[in-house]
Amino acid sequence: AQKVTQAQTEISVVEKEDVTLDCVYETRDTTYYLFWYKQPPSGELVFLIRRNSFDEQNEISGRYSWNFQKSTSSFNFTITASQVVDSAVYFCALSSGSARQLTFGSGTQLTVLP
Amino acid sequence: DSGVTQTPKHLITATGQRVTLRCSPRSGDLSVYWYQQSLDQGLQFLIQYYNGEERAKGNILERFSAQQFPDLHSELNLSSLELGDSALYFCASSVVGSGSHPNEQFFGPGTRLTVL
Repeated sequence: AQKVTQAQTEISVVEKEDVTLDCVYETRDTTYYLFWYKQPPSGELVFLIRRNSFDEQNEISGRYSWNFQKSTSSFNFTITASQVVDSAVYFCALSSGSARQLTFGSGTQLTVLP
Repeated sequence: DSGVTQTPKHLITATGQRVTLRCSPRSGDLSVYWYQQSLDQGLQFLIQYYNGEERAKGNILERFSAQQFPDLHSELNLSSLELGDSALYFCASSVVGSGSHPNEQFFGPGTRLTVL
């Protein structure tokens, strides 16, 4: 069975602070894929990143960075110098084995205060 | 804009009724997924279609059914609606859904269903 845990339900930071969103996953498959999606107040789900289980290289994209560690089954997401527009719910998701559907975590509500 | 369209955007109906939600995938995408987002259950996978055929089923109730048509658009049918079916229903599409690895799924704006 697959499971994704986002232990942080809500995080509140002041603009320009760095913030890390935690994601821990469980799967018995050796091949799997991890994703992050953003859901702003408007409601749509926006794809941010996909990583596969064979590539533990961390990735940086602008103010976003991702830290994938198989040893701890974690795929954490950091926003550097946060902005008010980053306020959203962020979901971590897992796809493994022959299944293509996503198993989502419960999401982390990030509020960035001006 | 993800390129995935869903209609209607909002739907208000009564218990016991039946509704149909429609989804058009991104151009070229063969796979369509349906997800339900509710306050108590979170985001849950319902069903997947690939090029017209059902590929995977998740936590989809027997009262719900879906299909994908030759032009690749998909419809999710919800019948005998209950109060607990009120949720945001998302459709997502991806280029492949049957192959060596999953591509990212692009989500539509969702249909907000309210059952009164």
